[in-house]
Amino acid sequence: AQRVTQPEKLLSVFKGAPVELKCNYSYSGSPELFWYVQYSRQRLQLLLRHISRESIKGFTADLNKGETSFHLKKPFAQEEDSAMYYCALTGSARQLTFGSGTQLTVLP
Amino acid sequence: EAGVAQSPRYKIIEKRQSVAFWCNPISGHATLYWYQQILGQGPKLLIQFQNNGVVDDSQLPKDRFSAERLKGVDSTLKIQPAKLEDSAVYLCASSSLLRGTQYFGPGTRLTVL
Repeated sequence: AQRVTQPEKLLSVFKGAPVELKCNYSYSGSPELFWYVQYSRQRLQLLLRHISRESIKGFTADLNKGETSFHLKKPFAQEEDSAMYYCALTGSARQLTFGSGTQLTVLP
Repeated sequence: EAGVAQSPRYKIIEKRQSVAFWCNPISGHATLYWYQQILGQGPKLLIQFQNNGVVDDSQLPKDRFSAERLKGVDSTLKIQPAKLEDSAVYLCASSSLLRGTQYFGPGTRLTVL
């Protein structure tokens, strides 16, 4: 069975501080990992996917197969980064399994 | 391009009543998904369609939930009869066969009293 764990429900950091949102997964195979974000009053949207190996809005995430983790990082948090972040994975059927989410608040 | 559309945005019903949700995916997207998101949890897949065929409905409570996508475009999700524990946001998403990235609609917030 595939599972995604986000251990922090709430995370607060000050503007300009580094931020790391943790994600661990279990999957017997080679999953594809994603981070989705939901800003206040907006719909859920894709932030980044591990196969793209790109930086979006200053965020990066590295897949660590040994630790089965896909943590999301940003060196300098901005107030506009405040949102709900979901880690998710897909297997061969392309069905997303989501974690329970982390609410990030960036304080001024 | 226009995004995934859903209606209604909000619905309040009493338990044992029935309710239906509608989804219009992004034009050309062959795959359509329905998710249930209970407060404090991540979205959970209920059913996946490819064109008008069901790919996976293993997590759909079939005794009360049904879904269809008759012409391979719009889809409806129905609950009959509703229970208190069905209170949630119901999300529709679509993706193309080529890229696979799922695009989400705004969701329908259902409250069962």
